[in-house]
Amino acid sequence: QAVVTQEPSLTVSPGGTVTLTCDSSTGAVTSGHFPYWFQQKPGHAPRTLIYDTNNKHSWTPARFSGSLLGGKAALTLSGAQPEDEAEYYCLLAYSGARIFGGGTKLTVL
Amino acid sequence: QVHLVQSGAEVKQPGASVKVSCKASGYSFTSYSLHWVRQAPGQRLEWMGWLDAGNSNTKYSQNFQGRVTFTRDTSASTAYMELGSLKSEDTAVYYCASGGQLSIWGQGTLIIVSS
Repeated sequence: QAVVTQEPSLTVSPGGTVTLTCDSSTGAVTSGHFPYWFQQKPGHAPRTLIYDTNNKHSWTPARFSGSLLGGKAALTLSGAQPEDEAEYYCLLAYSGARIFGGGTKLTVL
Repeated sequence: QVHLVQSGAEVKQPGASVKVSCKASGYSFTSYSLHWVRQAPGQRLEWMGWLDAGNSNTKYSQNFQGRVTFTRDTSASTAYMELGSLKSEDTAVYYCASGGQLSIWGQGTLIIVSS
């Protein structure tokens, strides 16, 4: 079974930019992995921010964007806000199955 | 408004089974796959599998193969997740998620496995 790896923690200054990545043990992440990104705050259910690499839901703030970067899926936050402090998870597809990354704890400080 | 409402928390003995329900409202239940995800205390999200709510086809994570079953009742717009042979490590919050592109999440159901 594949292993999906994310940075355990990152810190960004308010108004700053940060990129979270999502790596696959099986090789380069492609659009065929249909990368998803979720935001989760303590005590709450996850919320889907990005689907299929770079598509946003209506509630996804414009400052979040998804992409493929250097063989990984990436979530870029441009203009970080205090309310963006949360855990972020990626999800990759493998022939019908899905695997979550370990999550990135993002601190806005 | 679109919602997924899950059943309430439960405490189970090791070796028992648990069945969690997930009731959909505000959208066409049979038009989307429904995923089950769990999260042990302080741990990462873990994908358990998905159910095609239209034709009841399923795909299970190999981590749960043989121990979990997904079913649905289309007349009640409700999906079910049954997990058997419970162990203390199954203590977690269990979520359902559905809608287009996993746009809708249930509130979560806490399952505690303890003797």
